[in-house]
Amino acid sequence: AQSVTQLGSHVSVSEGALVLLRCNYSSSVPPYLFWYVQYPNQGLQLLLKYTTGATLVKGINGFEAEFKKSETSFHLTKPSAHMSDAAEYFCAALLPSGTYKYIFGTGTRLKVLA
Amino acid sequence: DGGITQSPKYLFRKEGQNVTLSCEQNLNHDAMYWYRQDPGQGLRLIYYSQIVNDFQKGDIAEGYSVSREKKESFPLTVTSAQKNPTAFYLCASSIRGASGHSYEQYFGPGTRLTVT
Repeated sequence: AQSVTQLGSHVSVSEGALVLLRCNYSSSVPPYLFWYVQYPNQGLQLLLKYTTGATLVKGINGFEAEFKKSETSFHLTKPSAHMSDAAEYFCAALLPSGTYKYIFGTGTRLKVLA
Repeated sequence: DGGITQSPKYLFRKEGQNVTLSCEQNLNHDAMYWYRQDPGQGLRLIYYSQIVNDFQKGDIAEGYSVSREKKESFPLTVTSAQKNPTAFYLCASSIRGASGHSYEQYFGPGTRLTVT
């Protein structure tokens, strides 16, 4: 069955340090992949997505992610953390077969330390 | 501006009462979704609709009902049969691409429902 795993429900980084949030998927076919960010009591906002083409995708707010088929991963990175990056991040997958069901990871809460 | 609106932001109900959460989109998206979010559990799909007058159960549909009479509207009713209705509810929509595939979802701001 298709699944998305986010390693680490909580991640802390110092301001200015590298942000790395991990996402692995499990499916027989490479899915479309998405990263969303959620601030407290708000909806989810798309950071970036991978559908086809270039495996390194750039998103908003300086984030990027690389699709690695061999590792079934889609980790999210940002070179330098900012206090405003503190939020919860969700990785999601969608099989490219016309289905409408997205599979979400359980989320990673990012804390940025001053 | 195009987007998804959910109302109200906060909703309080007594146990045993049905309550309807509103979701409206002006993005002209075909598909709409309802998710429930509980701490530490990510998003769980309640119902989704690909087109008007059609909808499918998600992973946790028991105790919930929906309708899709208009493309822009997808209201969710939390019935008294839902045992633990207190949660944050998110509505989303997505567009069907030329290939028939869906891409990213757009989310509303959410409704926090508290049932006592």
